[in-house]
Amino acid sequence: GEDVEQSLFLSVREGDSSVINCTYTDSSSTYLYWYKQEPGAGLQLLTYIFSNMDMKQDQRLTVLLNKKDKHLSLRIADTQTGDSAIYFCAESPDNFNKFYFGSGTKLNVKP
Amino acid sequence: DVKVTQSSRYLVKRTGEKVFLECVQDMDHENMFWYRQDPGLGLRLIYFSYDVKMKEKGDIPEGYSVSREKKERFSLILESASTNQTSMYLCASSELGTGELFFGEGSRLTVL
Repeated sequence: GEDVEQSLFLSVREGDSSVINCTYTDSSSTYLYWYKQEPGAGLQLLTYIFSNMDMKQDQRLTVLLNKKDKHLSLRIADTQTGDSAIYFCAESPDNFNKFYFGSGTKLNVKP
Repeated sequence: DVKVTQSSRYLVKRTGEKVFLECVQDMDHENMFWYRQDPGLGLRLIYFSYDVKMKEKGDIPEGYSVSREKKERFSLILESASTNQTSMYLCASSELGTGELFFGEGSRLTVL
């Protein structure tokens, strides 16, 4: 499968911004995704970005895409304790039949 | 509310046993997937299905098989469970031509 890489852990204080980074390998991916997994639950789609965009903002979330470097980031502004979860980036290179996930970044938000 | 339901949240089986993991979705989705989630490895695709009775191997199909006799149901089968199949198994579904996966809550399998 494709290689999608993320750092495993991130720890921030409540109220700070969190930035979770991801690198991917397939430049043909049309969409790139961020999923969130809360403890004991399945994954939920958080946001996604189309490959011809550089940035997408959705309330406290900002996604940045650098296609040249194949780098994707998720910024969470004013991070709250409820944001503590595992965040996965994913790409889908072939018409949504296969999705390749990173290892997940566990975000710990300290009060 | 859309739902993907995995029949067992926790299972404990012995080496060599046959294991069935069931997944049902109520969204009339064409695509269904089985992933395995292990710490530090993320999600790895075992099998997926894009229609009834159709299946395709993912990245780690060895030791697994699947069955899709009805559109809403996708079963993962471990013919002879081994300890290295101890893991969290996640089922997901998606509408054809779209990129949003809907996940079940997962089935944590322990093989002794």
